[in-house]
Amino acid sequence: SQQGEEDPQALSIQEGENATMNCSYKTSINNLQWYRQNSGRGLVHLILIRSNEREKHSGRLRVTLDTSKKSSSLLITASRAADTASYFCATAPSSGNTGKLIFGQGTTLQVKP
Amino acid sequence: EAGVTQFPSHSVIEKGQTVTLRCDPISGHDNLYWYRRVMGKEIKFLLHFVKESKQDESGMPNNRFLAERTGGTYSTLKVQPAELEDSGVYFCASSLRQGLAGMHYEQYFGPGTRLTVT
Repeated sequence: SQQGEEDPQALSIQEGENATMNCSYKTSINNLQWYRQNSGRGLVHLILIRSNEREKHSGRLRVTLDTSKKSSSLLITASRAADTASYFCATAPSSGNTGKLIFGQGTTLQVKP
Repeated sequence: EAGVTQFPSHSVIEKGQTVTLRCDPISGHDNLYWYRRVMGKEIKFLLHFVKESKQDESGMPNNRFLAERTGGTYSTLKVQPAELEDSGVYFCASSLRQGLAGMHYEQYFGPGTRLTVT
C-alpha cells in the first residue's frame, strides 16, 4: 500500500529561521494536504494543493508539489516558537472512489526562542 | 461553528472489554472518516462514511471493530473485545461533499480519543 515518507523526521531551528519539510509518496493523487499536530492535540489542516497545482501559499506557508517526482515540500518562513509541532503530509489517492487520506510518518519541528 | 468533537478524550480498559468511541462531525458534513495512530506508527485510515453509508472500510483491521453512523449524523466506533494492540489514538474527521471527478475537500479532524488497553 502507498506510504508517505517525510524528511527530515526531526528538525530543530531558531526562531526567525525558515523550516523546510519534504514529503514523498508512491501512487497517483488527487491532492496532497499538510496538517499540524501540537502535542496532545488534534490535527489542524494547514493547506491543500491539488494535483494540477505546482505551488500554493498561505500566510507564512509555502507548499510545492512535483507530481513527476511524487514529492512535496512545506516551507514555513520566519518561524515562531508557536510553530513547534509535528507536521504531516497526507495524500488523497486518485484511484478508487474513496476519500481516505494516506499519511506520512511526520516531521517533528522544534523552534527555539 | 463547532468543530469535530470526540468522546471520550481518554479511555483505559482491560483486554477483553468493550469500548465505544463517539464522533460528532461538523454540521453539514456528509463525509466522516475514522483514523487511528498506534504508538510509533503513522496515522492510518480505518473507514469512510458518506452520510449513513460505508463508502470505504478497507482500513478496518478485523471484525472486532464495528462502525456505525445511524441517521448520517454522529458516528460510533466499537471495539469488542479489545486487545492490547488496539491501544492508540483514534481520530475522526469530516469533510464537505465530494466534488466532481473525485475531487476532495479538506478534512477537519477532531482532537482524538486516546485508548489504552491493559
